[in-house]
Amino acid sequence: DGGITQSPKYLFRKEGQNVTLSCEQNLNHDAMYWYRQDPGQGLRLIYYSQIVNDFQKGDIAEGYSVSREKKESFPLTVTSAQKNPTAFYLCASSLAGLYGYTFGSGTRLTVV
Amino acid sequence: AQKITQTQPGMFVQEKEAVTLDCTYDTSDPSYGLFWYKQPSSGEMIFLIYQGSYDQQNATEGRYSLNFQKARKSANLVISASQLGDSAMYFCAMREGIGFKTIFGAGTRLFVKA
Repeated sequence: DGGITQSPKYLFRKEGQNVTLSCEQNLNHDAMYWYRQDPGQGLRLIYYSQIVNDFQKGDIAEGYSVSREKKESFPLTVTSAQKNPTAFYLCASSLAGLYGYTFGSGTRLTVV
Repeated sequence: AQKITQTQPGMFVQEKEAVTLDCTYDTSDPSYGLFWYKQPSSGEMIFLIYQGSYDQQNATEGRYSLNFQKARKSANLVISASQLGDSAMYFCAMREGIGFKTIFGAGTRLFVKA
C-alpha cells in the first residue's frame, strides 16, 4: 500500500546534539512538507519542497535543515541551534497545491 | 496575511447526533482552498474534506459536509450521526492560490458521548 513512513516513532536528543528524522513516501507525490506540533496547538510549517533538489523555508525554519535528493525522501535535521526542539513532528506529501495532504504517523522528539 | 481561527477548544456531542465545528478564515487572495483534518489520539492526521473558493456547492464526503459561507469567510465542518470513533482533534486549514503552503488552525477537540 502507498503511504508515508516516518521513523523513528520516538526519539530522544541530548543537549547540543543534531538528530535526523526520516520521511519516505511511495505515493509518487511531488511535494513534501515538515510540520511541528506542540501540545494543544495546531501545526506550524518548518520546510517544504515542491520538487527534487529544491526546498523553501516555512514559518519556523530556524534551527532546522532539510534535503531533497530523491523524490521519495525528505529528511529533517534538528540542529543544536534549535533551542526548544521537544515536539511532535509530522511529515506530509501532496500531488500538487490543490490536493489535501497525506501525513505520516509522526515522530515525537524529546530533549533529555 | 492568511489566518485560520477555530474558536471552540472543545466540543461534546451525543452519539448519533450531528455536530458543527466552527472555522473562520482570512485571506486577500480570491483563489484558495479550505481543508479539514482529523487527528485521533494516535497522532496521525487524516484528510477529511476539501472546498475550493470557486466551488459553487458545499463539499460533502460521507458523513462530513462543509458549510461554506464565502461572504462570512466561514468554513464549518458538519459531522452527521456522530460515532464514538469520531472523538479526536479536528483542524481547519487553508491554502492560498496555487501555492503549496497550508496553514492550520489551533484545532477543536471533539468528544462523542455514548
